[in-house]
Amino acid sequence: SYELTQPPSVFVSPGQTANITCFGDKLEYKYTCWYQQKAGQSPVLVIFQDTKRPSGIPERFSGSNSGNTATLTISGTQAMDEADYFCQAWDSNTVVFGTGTKVTVL
Amino acid sequence: QVQLQDSGPGLVKPSETLSLTCTVSGGSISSRTSYWGWIRQSPVKGLEWIGSIYYSGSTFYNPSLQSRVTISVDTSKNQFSLKLSSVTAADTAVYYCARQVYSSSSVSFDIWGQGTMVTVSS
Repeated sequence: SYELTQPPSVFVSPGQTANITCFGDKLEYKYTCWYQQKAGQSPVLVIFQDTKRPSGIPERFSGSNSGNTATLTISGTQAMDEADYFCQAWDSNTVVFGTGTKVTVL
Repeated sequence: QVQLQDSGPGLVKPSETLSLTCTVSGGSISSRTSYWGWIRQSPVKGLEWIGSIYYSGSTFYNPSLQSRVTISVDTSKNQFSLKLSSVTAADTAVYYCARQVYSSSSVSFDIWGQGTMVTVSS
């Protein structure tokens, strides 16, 4: 079965850029989306179709997908961005979620 | 604004069937641009997709759970439901319902319910 692998944790200083990676075989040929999940809350979609932001998501969130790696970038990270982030793709009629990355804003 | 509200028992005995219902408000479950899905989350397995359904009743399931899962839709009540049979402690998780958007080979979940914690225990 298809797998998506993420680093368990990313640390970033306020105002700096956080890059969260998601690795999967030939991932560039699949659309990837990203979710933000704050403690005790349901996930929120922040990026879909690799690079698109849903209405209401700040411009500091952006995405890319090339080769075997999709990346979620948070520019000018704020304390409110501290959360778990999950990537997700669609493969062989199956939804696959990444292992998740905890972003800590120090 | 579409909202999802999932409901069901928070405690299920081993070997029994877990049953949850998701009620859609602020929009129609018969929307031709939406599927409706169930996802669960546990500390061990993280986020795990269970399956999805279209308003017509067409379903697709996670192969690892397919033998135990049934998802159904009731358009008259604007609801869809999950049944997971023969549960074990490994099925203990927070269960979410969500609206699934499918477009150009892209699948994402843009609206989520609040989640229901389900514990499997005798």
